[in-house]
Amino acid sequence: NAGVTQTPKFQVLKTGQSMTLQCAQDMNHEYMSWYRQDPGMGLRLIHYSVGAGITDQGEVPNGYNVSRSTTEDFPLRLLSAAPSQTSVYFCASSYSPGTGQTEAFFGQGTRLTVV
Amino acid sequence: AQSVTQLGSHVSVSEGALVLLRCNYSSSVPPYLFWYVQYPNQGLQLLLKYTSAATLVKGINGFEAEFKKSETSFHLTKPSAHMSDAAEYFCAVSAYNTDKLIFGTGTRLQVFP
Repeated sequence: NAGVTQTPKFQVLKTGQSMTLQCAQDMNHEYMSWYRQDPGMGLRLIHYSVGAGITDQGEVPNGYNVSRSTTEDFPLRLLSAAPSQTSVYFCASSYSPGTGQTEAFFGQGTRLTVV
Repeated sequence: AQSVTQLGSHVSVSEGALVLLRCNYSSSVPPYLFWYVQYPNQGLQLLLKYTSAATLVKGINGFEAEFKKSETSFHLTKPSAHMSDAAEYFCAVSAYNTDKLIFGTGTRLQVFP
């Protein structure tokens, strides 16, 4: 049981480049989300999904796109990287009865640097 | 809208001393509250959660937290710190009917021998 797997672990991009951060979970969780972690700011929600085919914006969605074609995968796309997107990105999943009581499981993170 | 405030971005204690990490919440509906821990270069893992069953919640590694509605607080405590407790701790809140977690800014705990 791998849990939540994120790839890559580290990435350096040049300004303007695009890339996709991968996230996969093998727990059949309905709810998946992406956060970015910046010093002194905690974790901020970028996008989330309550099931395949359904996505919505979080607190800081600008510059990021997501899609959810399967239950297992929830990739995060940076269309044109900017230095302000330098951060550590975490993917999380949880079983989602819609009550807000369930535990979120986190991946190990992707450390992204945009130069 | 729900939010949490963590008082103190850094807390230092000696090994064997009491650990107290503070979290206050704001919510217009009954909140569900969580404490997560992040060890260096790792993801977050759940320490404990409050979902209205009991106000004193026990978690892993000897941590516990008490929900106090009158004080809108959910402080995390451990009677005796261990070196292995050094990590960053996050308080989070979710609201009924949503699985979105809103995190505090985190508290880094240092434990000195």
